[in-house]
Amino acid sequence: DAGVIQSPRHEVTEMGQEVTLRCKPISGHNSLFWYRQTMMRGLELLIYFNNNVPIDDSGMPEDRFSAKMPNASFSTLKIQPSEPRDSAVYFCASSFWEGDTEAFFGQGTRLTVV
Amino acid sequence: KNEVEQSPQNLTAQEGEFITINCSYSVGISALHWLQQHPGGGIVSLFMLSSGKKKHGRLIATINIQEKHSSLHITASHPRDSAVYICAVTNTGNQFYFGTGTSLTVIP
Repeated sequence: DAGVIQSPRHEVTEMGQEVTLRCKPISGHNSLFWYRQTMMRGLELLIYFNNNVPIDDSGMPEDRFSAKMPNASFSTLKIQPSEPRDSAVYFCASSFWEGDTEAFFGQGTRLTVV
Repeated sequence: KNEVEQSPQNLTAQEGEFITINCSYSVGISALHWLQQHPGGGIVSLFMLSSGKKKHGRLIATINIQEKHSSLHITASHPRDSAVYICAVTNTGNQFYFGTGTSLTVIP
């Protein structure tokens, strides 16, 4: 397996534009996590899914952020409209949520909103 | 107050030294995670544990549930261990809390 695959690796967009980040989890994993990392706030969990169902989205900053997982092999994180303060590295991770298993992270998407 | 506190924030060691990074938490947890983030930005999950001790190569993670404390040990440290080590916990409500990380530099 190629691991967790995120795309794009880098995204530069203008304020107000819609941004869509994509994640392909490891095959067979049933949990998927979206994280955001900034210098100011460190690593934060935005939302996670279990069996394609959002379990906890309390970390999603505001209504401009939305995440979907239409099937077990794909998830998106959308920001609309984007703002400069959304600039961060966004990580996706997946795991098999049956107790004592670890999460595997993608390489991250570095988002810059100008 | 942060739910997860790590110490030290920064650590410099000579190659070969034994290293300990500490993590204390204030919430009831279902699991504790140790993550490693390399200078290039990639994150690797090192351990997930809810009790006792785990070992993987030169890395050892321990947790004391009663004291709400975990330690990450690195034996025979090497420059390639230089990274940021992040402690994270999952509480009983499946919420995640992250420490601010410990930046480790191992000098040859």
